[in-house]
Amino acid sequence: QVQLQESGPGLVKPSETLSLTCSVSGGSVNIIDNYWNWIRQPPGKGLEWIGYVSYRGSPNYNPSLKSRVTISLDMSKNQFSLKLTSVTAADTAVYYCARGIAVTEHYFHSWGQGTLVTVSS
Amino acid sequence: DIQMTQSPSSLSASVGDRVTITCRASQSISSYLNWYQQKPGKAPKLLIYAAFSLQSGVPSRFSGSGSGTDFTLTISSLQPEDFATYYCHQSHTTPQTFGPGTKVDIK
Repeated sequence: QVQLQESGPGLVKPSETLSLTCSVSGGSVNIIDNYWNWIRQPPGKGLEWIGYVSYRGSPNYNPSLKSRVTISLDMSKNQFSLKLTSVTAADTAVYYCARGIAVTEHYFHSWGQGTLVTVSS
Repeated sequence: DIQMTQSPSSLSASVGDRVTITCRASQSISSYLNWYQQKPGKAPKLLIYAAFSLQSGVPSRFSGSGSGTDFTLTISSLQPEDFATYYCHQSHTTPQTFGPGTKVDIK
């Protein structure tokens, strides 16, 4: 069973870059029709899809964040990562990584436990 | 962006009750609609994908229906472990978007 675990700093200063890694165990990130996603949830609020990187390494981003986001795949480490530049307090959220499956259906099959990132000086 | 709405935003119910949550998309999304359950401090958990397909391991009291713009999640007999927030999610069009959630709590 594929499991995901987020890691990275819990505190980032305004204007700096938020960097998170999702480690995947129990399966390879190079599985056909799998898409590796980042999703965030501000405290007490709803869910926002940030983007994904495909099993081939191709990214797809939410246009609202596209100018600041990079999601990349590291097959050698079986990980994928998120970089979000020029952060503000509005980027404070729990960040989840999630395995997406897209055969005919598209859905988030499994999720990491989430990691809270606070943007503050 | 496709806007997702859910109703009600919250509800109070008793164990054994039948509960129905509605999700509406601002344009047709065919059957690209998924449902997740989230408990406080936990990650969302997939319940239903492609509008009506039950995820493996999810109790059969959960069911989904609908297509196009209108969808429902039904819990046939609410159990204590079902008190949570439920989100719908459309995967038809980028950006993928979620509904605002429906909180189900104890009456």
